[in-house]
Amino acid sequence: DQQVKQNSPSLSVQEGRISILNCDYTNSMFDYFLWYKKYPAEGPTFLISISSIKDKNEDGRFTVFLNKSAKHLSLHIVPSQPGDSAVYFCAGFKNYGGSQGNLIFGKGTKLSVKP
Amino acid sequence: GAGVSQTPSNKVTEKGKYVELRCDPISGHTALYWYRQSLGQGPEFLIYFQGTGAADDSGLPNDRFFAVRPEGSVSTLKIQRTERGDSAVYLCASSLNKVSPLHFGNGTRLTVT
Repeated sequence: DQQVKQNSPSLSVQEGRISILNCDYTNSMFDYFLWYKKYPAEGPTFLISISSIKDKNEDGRFTVFLNKSAKHLSLHIVPSQPGDSAVYFCAGFKNYGGSQGNLIFGKGTKLSVKP
Repeated sequence: GAGVSQTPSNKVTEKGKYVELRCDPISGHTALYWYRQSLGQGPEFLIYFQGTGAADDSGLPNDRFFAVRPEGSVSTLKIQRTERGDSAVYLCASSLNKVSPLHFGNGTRLTVT
């Protein structure tokens, strides 16, 4: 059973436009969510996170929105740049005293930003 | 400073052989994690160390997999009697503590023939 689902395996966007990456989760015990970005032959790099007590977190061009009632979160990138082309992973975990070893990742969405 | 270093970057081995994968975490990071990423999947948790001890090994798939971190820094993931299904990218990550963001290495791509 997939607790974190990224239903779009790929997304193509024009440079300068908005990229919206979506993520759904089934485990209502998750109280913290993270987005990681991964380039080929490199490890994932932490991008942005959000606690379940918030519905929005912003960091420069990156904004994550959380809709707890829908068990849905999304990552918005505005404006998109060619260097943003990578695989983006959504992950959730339970921050009750556990560790991020309990991170549950989705399968990822490959974003391509075309010049 | 230096990031998480994993060696080798690639390892090809025959079915049934033993392999060791090494991880050098970021200096001062007390938490160390091993993940495994199969093709088309997200990273999957294997084991977490806090200092020298394995605080959570619930992700290890079976007793062929074992990991150590004897001095609380470098860690080695050991796989006995490798099987073709073990082929994957093995990712190591470290963090300042158990709730800080993980910093991943570039991984070791293991291929079992």
